[in-house]
Amino acid sequence: AQSVTQLDSQVPVFEEAPVELRCNYSSSVSVYLFWYVQYPNQGLQLLLKYLSGSTLVESINGFEAEFNKSQTSFHLRKPSVHISDTAEYFCAVTRVGDSNYKLTFGKGTLLTVNP
Amino acid sequence: GAVVSQHPSRVICKSGTSVKIECRSLDFQATTMFWYRQFPKKSLMLMATSNEGSKATYEQGVEKDKFLINHASLTLSTLTVTSAHPEDSSFYICSARDRRTSGDLHSEQFFGPGTRLTVL
Repeated sequence: AQSVTQLDSQVPVFEEAPVELRCNYSSSVSVYLFWYVQYPNQGLQLLLKYLSGSTLVESINGFEAEFNKSQTSFHLRKPSVHISDTAEYFCAVTRVGDSNYKLTFGKGTLLTVNP
Repeated sequence: GAVVSQHPSRVICKSGTSVKIECRSLDFQATTMFWYRQFPKKSLMLMATSNEGSKATYEQGVEKDKFLINHASLTLSTLTVTSAHPEDSSFYICSARDRRTSGDLHSEQFFGPGTRLTVL
């Protein structure tokens, strides 16, 4: 079985400041990794994912995450946040070889960007 | 992106009654749908996986007779909470995978906005 730990339940930052949302996972088998974002009153949306290849993956809105196998981490970063980035962020994994690609989620991190 | 809707968004019911929650893929056909439950300040917990044309597969610890899942068509799945009790109060979320890309690792799950169930 897999598990995901998001170390911070809430992260408040000021606009234009950098941010890092931490994610660690535990698994006895290889996994794929994902970050989902949930804006208020909306469903979860895929932000970015790591499947293979380059360990640094980027989203279209400036977020990036780096897969670190030795530290079993997949931290999410953004060099300068906007008010509109305020949302709940979920880290998730799925086992390589799972035909349904079932996701195991962390508890989420609420990012609040203040003016 | 693809849209998944859930109905109702909120429901309040009396203990002992049954509640049905609908999950629809609006602009695509879903081979696989998932039902999750989310407790306050907890992660989303996968309850069951529903593949079109077959019975739902429930995760360990989830009572299949209490949480009835029907994947009625390629665009509709329903979750019925039978004989609901206050401990069933929670946020229920569904997601769906596009039939056209269901075998593609690069395809993603599209999530509904969730249904808040309160059992009095």
